Amino acid sequence: EVQLVESGGGLVQPGGSLRLSCAASGFSFSSYDMNWVRRAPGKGLEWISYISSSGRTINYADSVKGRFTISRDNAKNSLYLQMSSLRDEDTAVYYCAREWSLVMWGQGTLVTVSS
Amino acid sequence: QSALTQPRSVSGSPGQSVTISCTGTSSDVGGYIYVSWYQQHPGKAPKVMIYDGSKRPSGVPDRFSGSKSGNTASLTISGLQAEDEADYYCCSYAGTYTWVFGGGTKLTVL
Repeated sequence: EVQLVESGGGLVQPGGSLRLSCAASGFSFSSYDMNWVRRAPGKGLEWISYISSSGRTINYADSVKGRFTISRDNAKNSLYLQMSSLRDEDTAVYYCAREWSLVMWGQGTLVTVSS
Repeated sequence: QSALTQPRSVSGSPGQSVTISCTGTSSDVGGYIYVSWYQQHPGKAPKVMIYDGSKRPSGVPDRFSGSKSGNTASLTISGLQAEDEADYYCCSYAGTYTWVFGGGTKLTVL
């Protein structure tokens, strides 16, 4: 089955760190660019990071630049998001999404930043 | 990056058609073919309904169609059904490996 499955979410205190994972299956992961998108409670979708298929090109939204790091391991068919210096406003469901047209999404993982 | 502009809500009766607009600039919607539309039901992951402006993934009913004119993209849903009630988001590539979403539109089927 072609799918993306996120994991690693949870409750973390402000200033803390968390690493999200996105496991890909059923397709050639190494051939696709990937993105992370989030949706905060009561708000809309927000694109937060991009990584090319090779991992050589990376970019971030201003809201997370300098705090979040995207990476991938094509041998493990996995995408990652290392989040640090977390703030209350980072509380959201985080999704990984495939390709420039974001045509395929995982089910999401909830990150709650609270003391 | 500034969010794309969508109406906060639209509504229609079963069988009717509705159109949701998505207004950006020449730096995003008007500048690239990579405009997509997503349907999101409460507690569910977003589902792509239209990508690359007007392409429909397999499995998406042909009641859903997308178009673009200048800096404005549109999603039209014809023959409204109860299950179409959801939040809808547009998204555009905005250059230099960045993407921007609209604020979302709540579709109510009366």
